[in-house]
Amino acid sequence: KAGVTQTPRYLIKTRGQQVTLSCSPISGHRSVSWYQQTPGQGLQFLFEYFSETQRNKGNFPGRFSGRQFSNSRSEMNVSTLELGDSALYLCASRLAAKYNEQFFGPGTRLTVL
Amino acid sequence: GQQLNQSPQSMFIQEGEDVSMNCTSSSIFNTWLWYKQDPGEGPVLLIALYKAGELTSNGRLTAQFGITRKDSFLNISASIPSDVGIYFCAGEQGGSEKLVFGKGTKLTVNP
Repeated sequence: KAGVTQTPRYLIKTRGQQVTLSCSPISGHRSVSWYQQTPGQGLQFLFEYFSETQRNKGNFPGRFSGRQFSNSRSEMNVSTLELGDSALYLCASRLAAKYNEQFFGPGTRLTVL
Repeated sequence: GQQLNQSPQSMFIQEGEDVSMNCTSSSIFNTWLWYKQDPGEGPVLLIALYKAGELTSNGRLTAQFGITRKDSFLNISASIPSDVGIYFCAGEQGGSEKLVFGKGTKLTVNP
């Protein structure tokens, strides 16, 4: 069974631009979570989607948004990029919200110049 | 938000040595997970624990769910160079359905 895939793997943007990251969960998994990972803050939870609905949300500004499609694939969007948004963005999937074992993708490394 | 205290922050050991790391919290958790992350990759799930006192092994790795439900431990026996990486603990508080992560333990193994 294929693992979680994320595209693109690397991205370079400039301040003020916006970016869209994509995540395809493990087949059969209906829950997708997004995390931001930085050296100083560690893994920070952004939001989780299940059956196209946002179920949980972390403490990030409204510039960070996401959505999930009917095939469980998810996208994350960051608008008006800031230098501090440079990070590894990780997507994780699980069967459903009540199953705690989350499986991570390889991440998208975003650099904001 | 809820934080997990993971220690030590980093470890430098010789190949063949055993390693211990732990995660603690002031709150009770229903699930503990341990992940390993290699540079440039996403975390990989190593062990999942669901019951207080549970002791689970995965090869040379052994993890325990603390009796108080506020801590968890990971041990690696007879370390080898490929054990290098960052190890994260993660926990789920009862009913929250959200995972909280520790800040990681960076392991360096000298051959």
